[in-house]
Amino acid sequence: DVKVTQSSRYLVKRTGEKVFLECVQDMDHENMFWYRQDPGLGLRLIYFSYDVKMKEKGDIPEGYSVSREKKERFSLILESASTNQTSMYLCASSPTRQGTLSGNTIYFGEGSWLTVV
Amino acid sequence: AQSVSQHNHHVILSEAASLELGCNYSYGGTVNLFWYVQYPGQHLQLLLKYFSGDPLVKGIKGFEAEFIKSKFSFNLRKPSVQWSDTAEYFCAVVPKAAGNKLTFGGGTRVLVKP
Repeated sequence: DVKVTQSSRYLVKRTGEKVFLECVQDMDHENMFWYRQDPGLGLRLIYFSYDVKMKEKGDIPEGYSVSREKKERFSLILESASTNQTSMYLCASSPTRQGTLSGNTIYFGEGSWLTVV
Repeated sequence: AQSVSQHNHHVILSEAASLELGCNYSYGGTVNLFWYVQYPGQHLQLLLKYFSGDPLVKGIKGFEAEFIKSKFSFNLRKPSVQWSDTAEYFCAVVPKAAGNKLTFGGGTRVLVKP
């Protein structure tokens, strides 16, 4: 089974803190994604990456950055956390650059609940 | 940019009732379509997907969905629900030209009463 692991399930951070959310996948997938999930808004794509050191902005990149130094690891960074970034963050991966074009499925982690106070 | 609408935010029904969840998308080109499910405390899982061919697709756990191109819809159905179907359901769309960038609907929380 594909496993996407998010290291922190629950975090509480103060406004202005720098926050790192880590994600690791164990199936050698090229593609990795960060989404945030909010009630009534579904999932919104923050950033994604097709390969090591490559990243592309999603629909809501403001206030976030990412790092992909190794193929299996994709980190989401909040440079200066704000209360409107309180949310559930979901990491995902998929196996080829073609992604859904070739029918490959996107696999999700269990999510990281971040509260910014 | 494409968008996805799920009409019902919350659905409550009894076991053995039939379920239909609406999903409409706005995009003029060809798309791939998905339904994902998130059970309480678990990660998102793929229920079913449509890429081409027969517009009626069958997924896991007795779910099916029908793609109606003229209506830009991809509604999810299950003839007889069980308590274990209590979950949040998400419709997602990706234009075939956009590769990996799924757009999700707002989700529908389904509560099945025993």
